[in-house]
Amino acid sequence: GESVGLHLPTLSVQEGDNSIINCAYSNSASDYFIWYKQESGKGPQFIIDIRSNMDKRQGQRVTVLLNKTVKHLSLQIAATQPGDSAVYFCAERLNSGYSTLTFGKGTMLLVSP
Amino acid sequence: DARVTQTPRHKVTEMGQEVTMRCQPILGHNTVFWYRQTMMQGLELLAYFRNRAPLDDSGMPKDRFSAEMPDATLATLKIQPSEPRDSAVYFCASQQRQRETQYFGPGTRLLVL
Repeated sequence: GESVGLHLPTLSVQEGDNSIINCAYSNSASDYFIWYKQESGKGPQFIIDIRSNMDKRQGQRVTVLLNKTVKHLSLQIAATQPGDSAVYFCAERLNSGYSTLTFGKGTMLLVSP
Repeated sequence: DARVTQTPRHKVTEMGQEVTMRCQPILGHNTVFWYRQTMMQGLELLAYFRNRAPLDDSGMPKDRFSAEMPDATLATLKIQPSEPRDSAVYFCASQQRQRETQYFGPGTRLLVL
């Protein structure tokens, strides 16, 4: 899920497929991670979060996996729907006592009917 | 359904004019963040407040930007004078005490001509 120049990485899937969006985070001291979904013209919307003492967390149709060894986070969306089309951002929080988040550049998910 | 509100949703102005953006955080949330989003830079943290006190505004150009929180229900971001490079979407987000998740407003889309 790293950006290249001005272009967001894009994942194109068919409706009903499972989607996996990846994110490489930067700081091994980060202790909390969030995935946000941003639809065109709207603000980022919380999807799911995970703390660094966990490897996996499941929500409704979404699963987040955390691999601290390689500093990698992924978001899995089951049975992807056209309404899932959006830009997805991962964010990390340093265990610094503050609550600021550092956001990745985002990945665009396009779901075809 | 509690949500962060922002006004105006869209603003077109001429270079040199003052711009004021407003945010109403979710009731009971004690931390408020201001972000700027552009295609080039993604989501950047400009400033944030906790219990109405500014904690960090290092992401904000000091000479022209100012952020305040006159009361617990209103945060403002002001640009004076505005410049074309300030054109972006400005998001406000709020966070509940001792929780990590930030909830975003719909944004103010600013275009400075």
